[in-house]
Amino acid sequence: GQSLEQPSEVTAVEGAIVQINCTYQTSGFYGLSWYQQHDGGAPTFLSYNALDGLEETGRFSSFLSRSDSYGYLLLQELQMKDSASYFCALPSGAGSYQLTFGKGTKLSVIP
Amino acid sequence: DGGITQSPKYLFRKEGQNVTLSCEQNLNHDAMYWYRQDPGQGLRLIYYSQIVNDFQKGDIAEGYSVSREKKESFPLTVTSAQKNPTAFYLCASSIREGYGYTFGSGTRLTVV
Repeated sequence: GQSLEQPSEVTAVEGAIVQINCTYQTSGFYGLSWYQQHDGGAPTFLSYNALDGLEETGRFSSFLSRSDSYGYLLLQELQMKDSASYFCALPSGAGSYQLTFGKGTKLSVIP
Repeated sequence: DGGITQSPKYLFRKEGQNVTLSCEQNLNHDAMYWYRQDPGQGLRLIYYSQIVNDFQKGDIAEGYSVSREKKESFPLTVTSAQKNPTAFYLCASSIREGYGYTFGSGTRLTVV
C-alpha cells in the first residue's frame, strides 16, 4: 500500500516563509501533488512534481526528492489568506486515476 | 465557467434512510471520483469512474453505491448499511490519471 506523512499543524507569521513537509512510502512513484483547502471549502490543486527538483508557481514552490521519498511545499511572503489545510497526494499506481491523500497540514498564519 | 456542482450543500437525514448526493461536471472530464473527509482523516476514496457505465470501488466503498450513466453525472447513494455516514463528501474529476483534480464544493451530510 501507500502512505503519506505530514505534520498536523504549522503556525507562521505573516510575511514569513513556511515549509510543509511530506514523506511517503510507495511501491512505485508516479508524481506528487499538493492541494489547498480552506475551512469548509473544496480542495484546489496547487502543484505537481514528477521529477526531482523545485517547481515554482508564484509565491508557492514544491520540491521533490525521489531518492529520499520526500517532498515539501514552500510558501513565501505569507498572507492571512494562506491559512488553510494543505495535502500532499500520490497516484495509486502506474496509469492510475486514484489519488491517495495525506491527512493534511493545517497552516495558521498569525499577524 | 466550467466546474463541478454538488448539491445540496447541507443534507440532514434520519438514521436508516438512503440518501443520494448529486455531482455534475461540465469540464468534459472522463474520470470522476467520490471522496469522504472526516476531521483529521484527510480524504478517503469511496468510488471512482474512468468512463461511462463503469466504476470501481475505492478504499471505503462499503455502504455506498454509485452510477455513471452520463459523462457529466456521478451520483453517490449513501445507504442504510453505511455505519457512520455523517461526513463531508467531495466529488472530483480529472482529465488524466492522478493529476490535477477539480473538486466540487462538497456536501455535508448529517445523519440523526
